[in-house]
Amino acid sequence: RKEVEQDPGPFNVPEGATVAFNCTYSNSASQSFFWYRQDCRKEPKLLMSVYSSGNEDGRFTAQLNRASQYISLLIRDSKLSDSATYLCVKTGGTSYGKLTFGQGTILTVHP
Amino acid sequence: DTGVSQNPRHKITKRGQNVTFRCDPISEHNRLYWYRQTLGQGPEFLTYFQNEAQLEKSRLLSDRFSAERPKGSFSTLEIQRTEQGDSAMYLCASSLVGSGYTFGSGTRLTVV
Repeated sequence: RKEVEQDPGPFNVPEGATVAFNCTYSNSASQSFFWYRQDCRKEPKLLMSVYSSGNEDGRFTAQLNRASQYISLLIRDSKLSDSATYLCVKTGGTSYGKLTFGQGTILTVHP
Repeated sequence: DTGVSQNPRHKITKRGQNVTFRCDPISEHNRLYWYRQTLGQGPEFLTYFQNEAQLEKSRLLSDRFSAERPKGSFSTLEIQRTEQGDSAMYLCASSLVGSGYTFGSGTRLTVV
């Protein structure tokens, strides 16, 4: 079983829609969690960190449930520019050490 | 310093040839990481350095792969006797201990 599992999608949504991505992880010793965004043929870029208390950055809300080993990302009012692959990422052991990535979820926002 | 720099951006090589990639991290970053990403998958960890010490290697890093960071600055990743299965994007990232990553734009390898 992979350490980080995501539904690969693709998700095709209209502009303005709300879309949610889910991710599960193994290894309860995992310490830090992130969502990264990757545009086609580009490098991954940090979207946001994920905290147990839940955190929001504009239209994006991330949530971590350590008991269920589950991470989510909610995007409200989708924009065309949100089209990308969203990667669920964790570290284990030392903070900001090795990152372990999920497969990625492809999102396409259409007019 | 404009970020993490990787060279070359693209490399096409014949099966069986050796290739070497270079990564120049952000100058004050003491950690440097190599990842490999194939189509439709997330990046997979290969190895990382703290200063010049190679602290961890993935089992993905077969004996055909070697990475160095001789002076704790730039790093090279060499693949010997390339195989078609080595075709992928090779990503380098750097960080300070306790801070976030910055990825380079990657080197796309195609083995024909």
